[in-house]
Parts: sequence; C-alpha cells; structure tokens
Amino acid sequence: QKEVEQNSGPLSVPEGAIASLNCTYSDRVSQSFFWYRQYSGKSPELIMSIYSNGDKEDGRFTAQLNKASQYVSLLIRDSQPSDSATYLCAVNKDNFNKFYFGSGTKLNVKP
Amino acid sequence: SAVISQKPSRDICQRGTSLTIQCQVDSQVTMMFWYRQQPGQSLTLIATANQGSEATYESGFVIDKFPISRPNLTFSTLTVSNMSPEDSSIYLCSVEGHHPPGSNEKLFFGSGTQLSVL
Repeated sequence: QKEVEQNSGPLSVPEGAIASLNCTYSDRVSQSFFWYRQYSGKSPELIMSIYSNGDKEDGRFTAQLNKASQYVSLLIRDSQPSDSATYLCAVNKDNFNKFYFGSGTKLNVKP
Repeated sequence: SAVISQKPSRDICQRGTSLTIQCQVDSQVTMMFWYRQQPGQSLTLIATANQGSEATYESGFVIDKFPISRPNLTFSTLTVSNMSPEDSSIYLCSVEGHHPPGSNEKLFFGSGTQLSVL
C-alpha cells in the first residue's frame, strides 16, 4: 500500500471554476500535510501546509484535512490557466524528517 | 525560505559514465535530502546527507551507485555512477526550513537536474 495516494488525472476544469484535488494517506501517525505545485520541467513549489483538522485558507487556495478519514484536499477557487500544473500531496509522518509524496494530480484549466 | 542552487540544470550522458550534481544552500542546514523523480512518477527519497557523517540511504539505493558528499553545512553533492538509461530522471536537492519563522518544518527544493542517459 502506498503511503500517499492521489488520482493522476488529468483533472480538467474551465477557467473561473473551483478545482478540487484529493489525497489519502495510509499511516495515522502522519502529522503534517503539504501541497506542492510542479510546473512541467520545474521543481516542486510549496503552496500550502496544514497540520490540524479543518480548513486552512490562503488566497484562492484552501487546504482541508480530515485525520479520521485520512484525507487531505486542496481547493483552488477561480481557477486560472496559470494554475495548470501537477499538484503533489506530501505527508510528514514523524520527527524522522521523512516526507512521503503522492504521484501527483495533473490539473488543466481551460480558458 | 532558503535559496537552493543546483547544477547542472540538465545533462545528457552516455551509458557507463558518472555525473556529479551539486547543491548549494544560502544558509546552514543540518540535513540535506536527495530525491529522484522518474518520468511520470512521484518523488522518491534517495538519501539524507548529514554534515560530518555518512549519508543515510533509503531502501533500494546504495552508496556505490549514489555516493554523496556533505563537506559543510551549506553544500552537498550527489553522484550518479555507472549510469544506465534507467537512471534518466530529475534529481532534486532539498532542505527543511521553517518559513515563516516559528512555523512547522517544511521541505523546499532546488531547481532540479534533468538527467538523460543514452
């Protein structure tokens, strides 16, 4: 079983719509959760982090965490073509400095 | 967050040769991490590089194939030895940081090295 699972997509949404990206993780001891954006040919860029149950909002981005369901999501409001990228979910299980990454969901925002 | 410079940004290499990738950080960090991202795949941790000690390798990765140096708190190298086409991948250097200050640790990445082995 993979540590972090994501739907590979592609997820296609029209410009201005809400994009919803989902991630599940296998180990309940996971403590920290992250969303990275990776443009083609570029390195991952951290866009959101969340550590407690509930929602965390930052501009057009909202991260949602449900530890009981072992589920993390990222909502992108008012999606723009520039949001088209692969979004990687990552979890940090403990204080051994190990981050586990999902395989990423490719998002296409159509003008 | 730390500025992480990685070079080369890309290279095309012949089978059987070796390539050394350099990673420079603009601040002192305890641990540096080397990841591999194969085409269409996620990031896989190769090893953790600590200054003053041998690197810690993850399952499936060995020092003979991926020797790592960590001569000081701001610099590390990863060598991909005796390359084969299966080593074609993006190699990423990363460090942990607290950004903003006082926040939980996060992982930040260098610009990556795109390696193609013919």
